[in-house]
Parts: sequence; structure tokens; C-alpha cells
Amino acid sequence: AQSVTQPDIHITVSEGASLELRCNYSYGATPYLFWYVQSPGQGLQLLLKYFSGDTLVQGIKGFEAEFKRSQSSFNLRKPSVHWSDAAEYFCAVAIMEYGNKLVFGAGTILRVKS
Amino acid sequence: NAGVTQTPKFRVLKTGQSMTLLCAQDMNHEYMYWYRQDPGMGLRLIHYSVGEGTTAKGEVPDGYNVSRLKKQNFLLGLESAAPSQTSVYFCASSRQTSGANVLTFGAGSRLTVL
Repeated sequence: AQSVTQPDIHITVSEGASLELRCNYSYGATPYLFWYVQSPGQGLQLLLKYFSGDTLVQGIKGFEAEFKRSQSSFNLRKPSVHWSDAAEYFCAVAIMEYGNKLVFGAGTILRVKS
Repeated sequence: NAGVTQTPKFRVLKTGQSMTLLCAQDMNHEYMYWYRQDPGMGLRLIHYSVGEGTTAKGEVPDGYNVSRLKKQNFLLGLESAAPSQTSVYFCASSRQTSGANVLTFGAGSRLTVL
């Protein structure tokens, strides 16, 4: 079955430190890839997306993600985390066999230490 | 622009009661979706609609019904609520359902079934 895996349920980083959130997908072809962020009590906001072309994509709030076909990964990174980045982050994949509807990973909760 | 508006934001039901969640979007989007979010499971698609008058099942449709009588509204109904339906429900909309699918989410509706 196709799936999206976010192996880290919780991550804690110090403010100012770098961040990498992992995402792997199980799918035969290259899907469309997304990262969403959810602040407490809020809906989901799109951070960035990859459809094709340059495998390093830039998003809002200083986030970037790199698509690595050989590893079936789409990891999210930020060079310097701010306290306001504390939230839950979801990787999502649009899979053709599922009518290109989004399939979400389980999410990673980011905590930021001051 | 309101974007995607969900009502109510909170609701407590007793087992066996019925209720309807309303989703309204003002972006003239063709496609609308209902997801449920449960801890450790990410978002799972319940039902979706590709246009006025059409609906289709998603990943976890059992126990829910939907209707899309008007383009801007997508209703999610629970005919006989069960404790397993305690969750946070998110509505989303998009212009298209192709792979380049960017969803706009509502703020969520928290439902508790006792």
C-alpha cells in the first residue's frame, strides 16, 4: 500500500538551532509532494510544494525541502529555528492511483526550547 | 476573504445522536474535502466532492454522509454518532484535483462523542 512516513513523532530543538524533519513515501513513481504546518488550534497552512524541476524548493517562513528520488524522501529543513516555529508539521503526497488526492503522514510535533 | 469556514467549531454529542458539520468556501473552488485528524494518524480523507451535486468516498467513509447541493457548501453528516468518531474534522477546498493540488483548510471542528 502507498504510504507516507514521518518517523519522528516529536522533535525538540533549541531556538537558533537547525532543523530537519524527515518524510519518506512509498510509491512507484514520483508523486507531488507537500509540507503543511499546523499551529495549535488552527487549520493547516501550506509551507511548500514540489511538482517537478529543481529538487530543492523554498517555502514560506524560511523553510526549504529537498526531494531525493533515490531515497524516496522529501525532508524539510530550516537553518535557524524560531520559537514561533513550534507547531505540528505534516508531509503529504498526491498519489495518482488515489485520484491525486492528498495522503498525509502522521505528523511531527516540533517543540522549541528557549 | 473568509476562505474556508467551518461550523460549529466545537460540539459534544451522545452516542446515537446525529449532527451535521457545515463547510463553506468563498473562493469558487470546484473541489472540496472532509478529513478527520486523530493523534498519531495524520489526516485521513472521509469524503470529497469534485463539483456541485457530486460526492465520492475517501479512505474512511463509514458512518458519514455528505452532500454538495451548492458549490460553496459541503456538508458532513453523522447519522448515529459513535465514540470512535470523536475527532477533529477539517474541511478543505481546491481549484482542481490534479497532482498540482493545493488545498486551503478550514480551522477545524472538534467533535466529542460520549
